[in-house]
Amino acid sequence: NAGVMQNPRHLVRRRGQEARLRCSPVKGHSHVYWYRQLPEEGLKFMVYLQKENIIDESGMPKERFSAEFPKEGPSILRIQQVVRGDSAAYFCASSPRASTNTGELFFGEGSRLTVL
Amino acid sequence: GENVEQHPSTLSVQEGDSAVIKCTYSDSASNYFPWYKQELGKRPQLIIDIRSNVGEKKDQRIAVTLNKTAKHFSLHITETQPEDSAVYFCTMDSNYQLIWGAGTKLIIKP
Repeated sequence: NAGVMQNPRHLVRRRGQEARLRCSPVKGHSHVYWYRQLPEEGLKFMVYLQKENIIDESGMPKERFSAEFPKEGPSILRIQQVVRGDSAAYFCASSPRASTNTGELFFGEGSRLTVL
Repeated sequence: GENVEQHPSTLSVQEGDSAVIKCTYSDSASNYFPWYKQELGKRPQLIIDIRSNVGEKKDQRIAVTLNKTAKHFSLHITETQPEDSAVYFCTMDSNYQLIWGAGTKLIIKP
C-alpha cells in the first residue's frame, strides 16, 4: 500500500518563477489537505480539497497561490511568481473521510521549496 | 482565531529520564488532540491522540493527559531512549484542519 506521494521532494526556483507541487493521496482517499511549514515552526493549514472541489482555502494566500484536485490525477499546489518568503516545506495529507478527528490523516514526506 | 501554545521549545533530558511537554489552547469546541513526532527532514507522524471525553490515554512509554476545563493537554514520555530525539508537536482539530503548536525539540543525552 503506497502512502501519500509528493513530488518533487526538493525544488529550487528563482524569484518570479512558478512552482508546482504534486500530491498523490493514499489510494481510496478523496480528501486532501496542504500545509506549509517554515523552519522551526509547526505546520500551518493552507487548503482542503475533495475531488474537483475546494472546501476550505482559508489558510492560502489569495494571490499567487492556487490548488486543485482534479477527477483524475494528483492534487497540485501552484505558486506563481515565487518570492523568498515562499521558501518552506509543503506537506500534503490525505484522509478517507472529511473529518480530521479520526486519526486517519496521513502525511507525505513533503516538498521543500527553496527560492533563490 | 484558534491558537495552541506549546512549552518548552527545547527540552534536554538524560536517557532513561522522563520528558513532559505541555500545550494550552483557546478553542473550546475542539474535541480531538493528536500529537505528532517529526524527525529532521521527515514527515510528521502521529504517535498518540486523545479525545475530549477522555482524561488520560497511555500507549507503552507514551501517555497524554487532557484537562478540557483548563484547556491544556500534555505529553509524557517515560524511560526516554535515543530514538525519542525529535521535534514533537501538539495539535487540535478545528473545522477540517489541525492547529499546530510551535513544536518542542527533545534532546536525549546519553
